[in-house]
Amino acid sequence: GAVVSQHPSRVICKSGTSVKIECRSLDFQATTMFWYRQFPKKSLMLMATSNEGSKATYEQGVEKDKFLINHASLTLSTLTVTSAHPEDSSFYICSARGLRQSTYNEQFFGPGTRLTVL
Amino acid sequence: GENVEQHPSTLSVQEGDSAVIKCTYSDSASNYFPWYKQELGKRPQLIIDIRSNVGEKKDQRIAVTLNKTAKHFSLHITETQPEDSAVYFCAASRIPTFGRGTSLIVHP
Repeated sequence: GAVVSQHPSRVICKSGTSVKIECRSLDFQATTMFWYRQFPKKSLMLMATSNEGSKATYEQGVEKDKFLINHASLTLSTLTVTSAHPEDSSFYICSARGLRQSTYNEQFFGPGTRLTVL
Repeated sequence: GENVEQHPSTLSVQEGDSAVIKCTYSDSASNYFPWYKQELGKRPQLIIDIRSNVGEKKDQRIAVTLNKTAKHFSLHITETQPEDSAVYFCAASRIPTFGRGTSLIVHP
């Protein structure tokens, strides 16, 4: 099946710093990538949808200047949490979808990144 | 937008019993309904999915049913085992929207 990697798997940073998370599709071209945030014992909340070569579409309530998303190639999307604060601590998961999955919107998940802001 | 409701939030069963988790959705244009199993700290794993052109799909001990008229779909796990214990999420996927999750606990 399709493989999606995410890096780093875990990051601890100081308040006020920026953190970049990478999401890569390893064996297919991801025309669309999704970024989710998950709090402990909660569901996955869609933050934004990014299509290769265009600006990301953010869900209501998600600050686009806070969570910068770049989808510059068909295999890589990045999420940058700018000026991170403790309330940004969470589990961030990306997923990817290629042309072959576009009809029924199947998606493949990365392993997630645990962000802790001190 | 899409709204997905999932019940129950917690389900506790004895090993060997069946477990049923139900979801409803609001967007009649949704055409793909996956179910994911997520263990603590790990990514969601697709366990079964159903497309809008079928009403039921089965894979060994797992089955999913879909009622498009009523806009609801269900996950059925038979002969549950302790390793089935996890959080299960349904999703309705024209725009990916997840249910709140069901914590399944299977007691040996």
